Amino acid sequence: NAGVTQTPKFQVLKTGQSMTLQCAQDMNHEYMSWYRQDPGMGLRLIHYSVGAGITDQGEVPNGYNVSRSTTEDFPLRLLSAAPSQTSVYFCASSPLGWKETQYFGPGTRLLVL
Amino acid sequence: AQSVTQLGSHVSVSEGALVLLRCNYSSSVPPYLFWYVQYPNQGLQLLLKYTSAATLVKGINGFEAEFKKSETSFHLTKPSAHMSDAAEYFCAVRANAGGTSYGKLTFGQGTILTVHP
Repeated sequence: NAGVTQTPKFQVLKTGQSMTLQCAQDMNHEYMSWYRQDPGMGLRLIHYSVGAGITDQGEVPNGYNVSRSTTEDFPLRLLSAAPSQTSVYFCASSPLGWKETQYFGPGTRLLVL
Repeated sequence: AQSVTQLGSHVSVSEGALVLLRCNYSSSVPPYLFWYVQYPNQGLQLLLKYTSAATLVKGINGFEAEFKKSETSFHLTKPSAHMSDAAEYFCAVRANAGGTSYGKLTFGQGTILTVHP
């Protein structure tokens, strides 16, 4: 199994541009989520999904959209990039359940100029 | 609401010394607690987790953590540090407050562990 994969690994955007960060998992996990990591702030939840067609907001959803059309894929869209969205983005997946371990992808490093 | 506080953003130890990384949590319901490790330019990897079975939890790479409800703590320890332990460590909490938010994992700020020869 490849686990959780993310593309691209690194991206530079100009303010106002849009882009989609890709996330895929091959473990048939119902739960998928997106986090952003900023120095000294840990990881903060952006959006999550508990199954195809079901998404909800996390702690910092503004400026981001998600959709879940299949179990495997959970893309994150930046509608109009801002410098404040410069960060490292991680996708994670797990089975449903409070005790379940979340498995993380390798991350996408985004720089917005 | 749930929260996690990691005391010390940076911890430095000598190789062979005890590693102690502190984590305190706040939760209105019994929590599930996790420690993750992040090596440079990589994603997060689970070290260990507490899921209300044994209060002393053993993880990978010789790490362990003890859940202390009276102190609301879940500190991570390792008896003897190795150079390869240098990384950033995150404590995280998830609390079953009902609803469908199964995955709302709340992270601490992280602790960077440096190991000196």
